[in-house]
Amino acid sequence: DIQMTQSPASLSASLGETVTIECRASEDIYNGLAWYQQKPGKSPQLLIYNANSLHTGVPSRFSGSGSGTQYSLKINSLQSEDVASYFCQQYYNYPLTFGSGTKLEIK
Amino acid sequence: EVKLVESGGGLVQPGRSLKLSCAASGFSFNDYWMGWVRQAPGKGLEWIGEINQDSSTINYTPSLKDKFTISRDNAQNTLYLQMSKLGSEDTAIYYCAREGYGGYLGYYFDYWGQGVMVTVSS
Repeated sequence: DIQMTQSPASLSASLGETVTIECRASEDIYNGLAWYQQKPGKSPQLLIYNANSLHTGVPSRFSGSGSGTQYSLKINSLQSEDVASYFCQQYYNYPLTFGSGTKLEIK
Repeated sequence: EVKLVESGGGLVQPGRSLKLSCAASGFSFNDYWMGWVRQAPGKGLEWIGEINQDSSTINYTPSLKDKFTISRDNAQNTLYLQMSKLGSEDTAIYYCAREGYGGYLGYYFDYWGQGVMVTVSS
């Protein structure tokens, strides 16, 4: 199985700041990576697919980058509605696997 | 608007079975792969499995393939998850999700249901 190591586990930042969440795969996943946002008490929502493609309706302050085994999600101009947990997921190989999540709070 | 609504959850005794349903609307159900993901209380996400458009291909995470069965009824726009031999470790919120096509890279989850809680306890 491909292990997805996500960091940090939690993050506190101020409104307007830029934050970055990292995800490392245990082997090359060739950009087969998605990022999801899960607000408290809600289901996950897709943000990014194919490592850097923005899903329909997602604000442009979210962006994804990376290649090989290293990927990141960047959130520019942090807003209060961005308080959530964020998960990466590889879909290049079976079984599909998720990172353990990053909980983002506002300072 | 894509809508996925899970049902069938609840309290079940250890060792028993339960079948979840996911009613889909707002898109052409028989054009998409569909999948199930679960989340234990306060924990991360775990992929259960997926099914292709005509049910000819079904993939499972290895640890669950002997306990869970995924099926679909395209005439009813409904996805199912049959769970058997349930244990406390299966207590979780169960989500159905539509899969988007990432080209040769595979399939990701582009729309999710609101989830249904399954509690396994005596």
